[in-house]
Amino acid sequence: KAGVTQTPRYLIKTRGQQVTLSCSPISGHRSVSWYQQTPGQGLQFLFEYFSETQRNKGNFPGRFSGRQFSNSRSEMNVSTLELGDSALYLCASSLVNHGTGNSPLHFGNGTRLTVT
Amino acid sequence: DAKTTQPNSMESNEEEPVHLPCNHSTISGTDYIHWYRQLPSQGPEYVIHGLTSNVNNRMASLAIAEDRKSSTLILHRATLRDAAVYYCILRDVVPPLGNRDDKIIFGKGTRLHILP
Repeated sequence: KAGVTQTPRYLIKTRGQQVTLSCSPISGHRSVSWYQQTPGQGLQFLFEYFSETQRNKGNFPGRFSGRQFSNSRSEMNVSTLELGDSALYLCASSLVNHGTGNSPLHFGNGTRLTVT
Repeated sequence: DAKTTQPNSMESNEEEPVHLPCNHSTISGTDYIHWYRQLPSQGPEYVIHGLTSNVNNRMASLAIAEDRKSSTLILHRATLRDAAVYYCILRDVVPPLGNRDDKIIFGKGTRLHILP
């Protein structure tokens, strides 16, 4: 079974631009969550989607947005990029049949975004 | 916001057992305890999870205190490949489109060093 796939692997953008990152979950997984990882702040939760609906959101500004498609693939978008947005962006998928607690998260290897 | 507390770093000798502690004093009755680890240049990897009883799998064992306010991840025989950052998180049993807040909070984790 293929794992979680994130594209692109690396990305370099300049301040003020926008960026779209893609995540393909494990087949059959309907929940996708996104995280930002930086050396200073660690692994921080951005948002979580289930069946195309955002069910949870972390404490990030509105420049960070996401969506999920009917095939469970997900994208996240960051508009008006700032230098501080340089980070590793990770997504995770989970099966979530009856509830979130009993469903392990399966992570991709991330997209490394550098903003110059 | 952090629901769990872990030591910043730990050291262990190769081929010896490792006990990684996690405190979660505000755990609710429906919170599952999850453990993940992250190797360099990779996304986090699921290790184990449990609710009340101790759990074993091929990777590790999870010992949960009777009052559930703490847990310990046990690696029975550490190898150099176990050197990673280990994260303990709580995940509530929330229906996929339920209306309870279920932010996924990772914290900084424990950096485990294995000495050859």
